[in-house]
This record gives sequence, structure tokens and C-alpha cells, in this order.
Amino acid sequence: DGGITQSPKYLFRKEGQNVTLSCEQNLNHDAMYWYRQDPGQGLRLIYYSQIVNDFQKGDIAEGYSVSREKKESFPLTVTSAQKNPTAFYLCASTVVGDGYTFGSGTRLTVV
Amino acid sequence: AQSVTQLGSHVSVSEGALVLLRCNYSSSVPPYLFWYVQYPNQGLQLLLKYTSAATLVKGINGFEAEFKKSETSFHLTKPSAHMSDAAEYFCAVSSLNTDKLIFGTGTRLQVFP
Repeated sequence: DGGITQSPKYLFRKEGQNVTLSCEQNLNHDAMYWYRQDPGQGLRLIYYSQIVNDFQKGDIAEGYSVSREKKESFPLTVTSAQKNPTAFYLCASTVVGDGYTFGSGTRLTVV
Repeated sequence: AQSVTQLGSHVSVSEGALVLLRCNYSSSVPPYLFWYVQYPNQGLQLLLKYTSAATLVKGINGFEAEFKKSETSFHLTKPSAHMSDAAEYFCAVSSLNTDKLIFGTGTRLQVFP
């Protein structure tokens, strides 16, 4: 079955450390998105990519980086510059008019 | 520019009662509209979508929504709430010329026995 896979489900980061969240889809979708979710704040867009080798900043891109070397993959790196990274991170992919298909999320905690 | 407003961050109903979650949108072009449900520690799951076909859209788990252009609304309803409906619900809008969704801030539904 086609879908979108995020890993790991839980991730712990030490202060000053970079961590990378994986997002892989086999839906043949061109567009992929990363969102951050904090309690009571809904979904906030971090980065998105509508085609391979191209991506755009969302509303809260500072402290994050992405790459899109393959259509299927859109990894997100949380850098040490992100001072408050503890959150639930969601990856999604889509085609126009179809809505998003979401992964199951990664919960990142700073220890 | 497109936007979505969900009225009420929390809604509580008794089991068996009507569920009504409100969503109003703003769009300068004909919109596509979506409702998603999120259970704790999970991703969002598509409940239903409106893409300019029938104005009354039926989704999964007994939910439906009606597109009302004159009221710029897309409210989500279910005739009889079940305990398993307790979750957070998000309304979203996009249009023909973009794949990016604009999300509302979500409504948390509680169902009491």
C-alpha cells in the first residue's frame, strides 16, 4: 500500500546537537511538507518542496534545514540554532486537489 | 489570500448527541475544503473533502459536511457522537492553482458518557 513513513517515532536531542527526521513516501507525489505542532498552536509550516532539488521556507524555518534530492524523500534537520525544538513534527505529501497524506509523526524531545 | 477560521477550540458533547464543528473560510477563488481528524500522538487523517462537486460531502466514520458558498462555511456534523470520536479536528482550504493547504487552529472534541 502507498503511504508516507516518518522515522523515528520518538527522538531525543541533547543541547547543541543536530538531529535529522526522516520522511519517505511511495505515493509518487511531487509536493512534500514539514509541519511543527505544539499544544494549542495548530500546525505551523516549516519547509515545503514542490519539486526535486527545490524547496521553500515556510512560516518558521529558522533553525531548520531540508533537502530534496529524491522525489520520495524529504528529510528535516533540526539544527542547534533551533532553541526550542521540543515538539511533534509532521510530514505530508500531496497532489493538487487531493489534500495531504500525513505521516504518523515524530516526537522530538530535548534532554 | 486564503484563510480558515474554526470557531471554538474545544467542543464537548454527550455520547449520542449531535456533533457540530464550525469552519468558515476566505478565498478569492473557488476553494477546495478538507476536514482532518487527529488522535493523540498520531498524524492527521482525511475525513472528507469538497472539490466543487456535490455540496454535501460524506466522509468516514459517519461524518459529513456541507459547503455553503453564501455563508463561506464548511461545518462538520455527525448525528450521534461516539466515544471514539474524541479527537482534534482540523479544517483546511486550498484551491485549483495550489497544492498547499491552509489549516485552521483545530477544535478538540470531547465526548462524555
